[in-house]
Amino acid sequence: SLELTQDPDVSVALGQTVTITCRGDSLRSFFASWYQQKPGQAPALVIYGENRRPPGTPDRFSGSRSGTTASLTITGAQAEDDADYFCNCRDSSGDHLVFGAGTKVTVL
Amino acid sequence: QVQLQQWGAGLLKPSETLSLTCAVDGGSFSAYHWTWIRQPPGKGLEWIGEVTQSGTTSYTPSLKNRVTISVDSSKKQFSLNLKSVTAADTAFYYCARGHSSGWDWFDPWGQGTLVIVSS
Repeated sequence: SLELTQDPDVSVALGQTVTITCRGDSLRSFFASWYQQKPGQAPALVIYGENRRPPGTPDRFSGSRSGTTASLTITGAQAEDDADYFCNCRDSSGDHLVFGAGTKVTVL
Repeated sequence: QVQLQQWGAGLLKPSETLSLTCAVDGGSFSAYHWTWIRQPPGKGLEWIGEVTQSGTTSYTPSLKNRVTISVDSSKKQFSLNLKSVTAADTAFYYCARGHSSGWDWFDPWGQGTLVIVSS
């Protein structure tokens, strides 16, 4: 069974807000990190820990956690946010790391 | 600014061994988890495993019997070996610097290497 579950596709109108979710039992104990991947590029970190942004990540990206669900929110989505987004966290054993299957975000 | 540069053979035959190396340019080499991640074309990411500067390793259970990740601290490099490859191992392979200080994250990533397994 999948350790982390993500919705495959989400769309958002330009300038609107979209929330991507990542579900898994291990999220009750561990924070997720989030990665953006554009076609032909390596993934890039956008959120980690308790809503921390690495340098270069716009402040329209934010993260949160509630129970076994981690969320990535884009407030005021821009055309350049059109990409795949993957969550990552430790698995239920705590010994290994796993990724969600990814969410394709389409900015309309 | 830390950069990761990776290299290795991009075309293998079934049963051969995949070998990739990643060099760390800039920054400290200690206190991080040097990580390999792969992505079959058009699919999601899979964490393969990691190694620390001291050589401590951890691997994903599904690949544990075929994978070895090693480190050469003197060169600030780490390597991935995956033996007995099949077509199912065709993927983009990425190296990344793993952080684990209360929570985990990967940053930065290497540029990726496409490895194709075909007879």
